Amino acid sequence: EAQVTQNPRYLITVTGKKLTVTCSQNMNHEYMSWYRQDPGLGLRQIYYSMNVEVTDKGDVPEGYKVSRKEKRNFPLILESPSPNQTSLYFCASGARNEKLFFGSGTQLSVL
Amino acid sequence: GQQLNQSPQSMFIQEGEDVSMNCTSSSIFNTWLWYKQEPGEGPVLLIALYKAGELTSNGRLTAQFGITRKDSFLNISASIPSDVGIYFCAGQLLTGGTSYGKLTFGQGTILTVHP
Repeated sequence: EAQVTQNPRYLITVTGKKLTVTCSQNMNHEYMSWYRQDPGLGLRQIYYSMNVEVTDKGDVPEGYKVSRKEKRNFPLILESPSPNQTSLYFCASGARNEKLFFGSGTQLSVL
Repeated sequence: GQQLNQSPQSMFIQEGEDVSMNCTSSSIFNTWLWYKQEPGEGPVLLIALYKAGELTSNGRLTAQFGITRKDSFLNISASIPSDVGIYFCAGQLLTGGTSYGKLTFGQGTILTVHP
């Protein structure tokens, strides 16, 4: 089954403790992206990747890192999380000229 | 960055009514997309628009890409309870011959349908 898998689904952490949210897709898509969703603000793009070893900043990249060492994986790294990074995070992937597939989301709370 | 204004923020309607929502941008896009998000899930693409003036339907849904390339609307006809969810518009400006790039989303329209 074609899917985008994010882990974990829920995460509670404390300020400053490094964390990684994993994202994996099984559709051999070149394009992958991370978004955060906050009430009243819709989805805002954090980082995206057009292919392996190619990443670009979205609208809200501050405080986040990504890597794309393999086509299927696109982890989101928070080196020193802060409370303003409490949000619902979505990973998405797509092939050229085809629709984006979204994961089911990761609800992150930073205390 | 680019700003997308989506309206209305929320709608409460009776089953069978038609629904209309729209997005306007401060700058042009060359692709407009409409997504629906149900509780606990990620957004799912409903309609994609690639050309200014394009009008596209998907069942009871109809969307249009504005002539100015700065706006788009989505209509849902004869709403049913399962239309409930959050609807997002998204704009994309492709440059350099790429097929994907920075995607900007609207704030979302929360739709509630009363049976």
